[in-house]
Amino acid sequence: QAGLTQPPSVSKGLRQTATLTCTGNSNNVGNQGAAWLQQHQGHPPKLLSYRDNNRPSGISERFSASRSGNTASLTITGLQPEDEADYYCSTWDSSLSVVVFGGGTKLTVL
Amino acid sequence: EVQLVESGGGLVQPGGSLRLSCAASGFTFSDHYMDWVRQPPGKGLEWVGRSRDKTKSYTTEYAASVKGRFTISRDDSRNSLYLQMNSLKTEDTAVYYCTRVNITPRDPVDWGQGTLVTVSS
Repeated sequence: QAGLTQPPSVSKGLRQTATLTCTGNSNNVGNQGAAWLQQHQGHPPKLLSYRDNNRPSGISERFSASRSGNTASLTITGLQPEDEADYYCSTWDSSLSVVVFGGGTKLTVL
Repeated sequence: EVQLVESGGGLVQPGGSLRLSCAASGFTFSDHYMDWVRQPPGKGLEWVGRSRDKTKSYTTEYAASVKGRFTISRDDSRNSLYLQMNSLKTEDTAVYYCTRVNITPRDPVDWGQGTLVTVSS
């Protein structure tokens, strides 16, 4: 089943802003939005943003999500060394009745 | 505090079976959908399937890659989720995570630490 498309890697400098993208179609991102998860090496994923772009309790305001058409975006401002991680998008596909994930983006903070 | 603790992973031969368990605490288990998500070594996340709650008659959904081989069940009286895996293949090798699905929007808000399943001869 088709997944969501994310760039494999993004590199940005310390204290800069990174924008990660996630592209789907009208059956998933286009009508559901996308949730965003962060995963550090050796740890389980952590939800950063719900598909309605709201943050769970305890998540920094430096992480903000948005959507335009079939593409969702996660913007991380004031990059810190601890932001270096893998980032995944996820949502429900209403046509396939499955959850779909993106392939993940590895964010490197230089 | 929400806790999800997976167990039951291990080494199994191709064609074999394994049953994973997820013990939940810190929330009203019966109110929530629950998902299984897996991650092959060095690779990305892959959704395995979902158990809906009692209001949706405990219906389930599965990824195409496991449909017909894996079965998700739950016991609300024990706050537990299960994943019965049959006819295992080498490509099922992964860390398997139990996740609590938020009531709305239905996103995976809490994750267990995962349990490793290795399918190899």
